[in-house]
Amino acid sequence: GAGVSQTPSNKVTEKGKYVELRCDPISGHTALYWYRQSLGQGPEFLIYFQGTGAADDSGLPNDRFFAVRPEGSVSTLKIQRTERGDSAVYLCASSAPGTVYNEQFFGPGTRLTVL
Amino acid sequence: GDSVTQMEGPVTLSEEAFLTINCTYTATGYPSLFWYVQYPGEGLQLLLKATKADDKGSNKGFEATYRKETTSFHLEKGSVQVSDSAVYFCALRDDKIIFGKGTRLHILP
Repeated sequence: GAGVSQTPSNKVTEKGKYVELRCDPISGHTALYWYRQSLGQGPEFLIYFQGTGAADDSGLPNDRFFAVRPEGSVSTLKIQRTERGDSAVYLCASSAPGTVYNEQFFGPGTRLTVL
Repeated sequence: GDSVTQMEGPVTLSEEAFLTINCTYTATGYPSLFWYVQYPGEGLQLLLKATKADDKGSNKGFEATYRKETTSFHLEKGSVQVSDSAVYFCALRDDKIIFGKGTRLHILP
């Protein structure tokens, strides 16, 4: 079946611009996670949705970052006034209903480059 | 806070060699432990996991044992293949998943 998909696969933008990154989770998965992976590092947690609500947004680095999941399926990560330090691969993962410890399935990521 | 430390790469081995990638963790609770793998051009995949002390996770010939006394979860494989070339991430999950920095593995034919 279809896995987690993310679009675009690559995004190049200029400093100060606004970007949106999209995640389509596996159908039926109620939990959705965003991570950021900088070069040479492991993924770092950003935010976790259970259904439509953000259950934990403690990993968002500052108020330029925001994420929504209005219908409990697709999620959009929004970054305002991008900075060069935002350049990274943004990963999305989803997991099935049940315990919070269910396996997370990862998408291929969106590589964001801020010039 | 919780953290994961794994050996730095890259690690280069010949085919059929024995592999060990060291991983140690720091956690206040009793986390589950994971190894994820990222093959070239693909997304992160769960390789194996262990949820409590002395559990052994295994998959595709890889093994790791949850050692509470040494706070370790070393990844091992007895005979690596070229197709095992990838980046391997050790991770723990108490509340959220915390990943190590990753170890790049190159297997030479």
